[in-house]
Amino acid sequence: GAVVSQHPSRVICKSGTSVKIECRSLDFQATTMFWYRQFPKKSLMLMATSNEGSKATYEQGVEKDKFLINHASLTLSTLTVTSAHPEDSSFYICSAREDPRDTYEQYFGPGTRLTVT
Amino acid sequence: DAKTTQPPSMDCAEGRAANLPCNHSTISGNEYVYWYRQIHSQGPQYIIHGLKNNETNEMASLIITEDRKSSTLILPHATLRDTAVYYCIVRANTGNQFYFGTGTSLTVIP
Repeated sequence: GAVVSQHPSRVICKSGTSVKIECRSLDFQATTMFWYRQFPKKSLMLMATSNEGSKATYEQGVEKDKFLINHASLTLSTLTVTSAHPEDSSFYICSAREDPRDTYEQYFGPGTRLTVT
Repeated sequence: DAKTTQPPSMDCAEGRAANLPCNHSTISGNEYVYWYRQIHSQGPQYIIHGLKNNETNEMASLIITEDRKSSTLILPHATLRDTAVYYCIVRANTGNQFYFGTGTSLTVIP
C-alpha cells in the first residue's frame, strides 16, 4: 500500500527557533497533502490543506505566518513552525491523497513529536 | 461534513468480537462512512469505508443501518494489537479533508 513518511520523528528545539517537518509520499505522487496536530489524549485537528504548486489553505484559527507550508513537489510537503513556543509542542501528522479522483483514502504519516523548551 | 458520535471508551476480551458503534444521524446521501484507527503515538491507519451496503475486508466488517444514521465496525477476533483509538468519519467522496471526532478508545483485555 501507499506509504507516507515524516522526518524527523522527534525533535526538541528551544523557544524562538524555527523547526521544519518533512512529509514525503514514498511510492506515489500526492497532489494534495494535509497537516494535522494532536495534543495529548485529544483528537487530530486539521491545520491546513496543501496542493502541489499552490498556496496552502488554512483552517480557521490556524496562523498561516506561524505554520508555513510548502508543497513544492508531488512527493514532498514541509511544515515549518516559526518562532516556536512551548505551546506549539504537539504531535504533528501529515497525510496524502494520491490522485484528485481518488478521494476514498488518505494515507497518514507516522507523525512528528515536537517539544519546545 | 456530518458530525459523528462515538462512545469514549470500550473494553473487549481477547479473541472475542469487538463491536464499535457510531451515530451519524445527519449524514447526507452522498457521504461515506470511514473508519480509521490510531495506535498510541502513531499516525492513523485506514480500516474500511462504505456508503450504504455492508462491507468486509481483511481487517474488519462495516455494518450500516438501512437509514444510514448509524454504523458498527466489527473486529471479528480482537487481539491485543487492536488496542487503539477508533475514529468514525463521514465525508462526501467528492470532499477533501477528513475531520476527526473524539473517537472510541478500545482496550483489548487478555
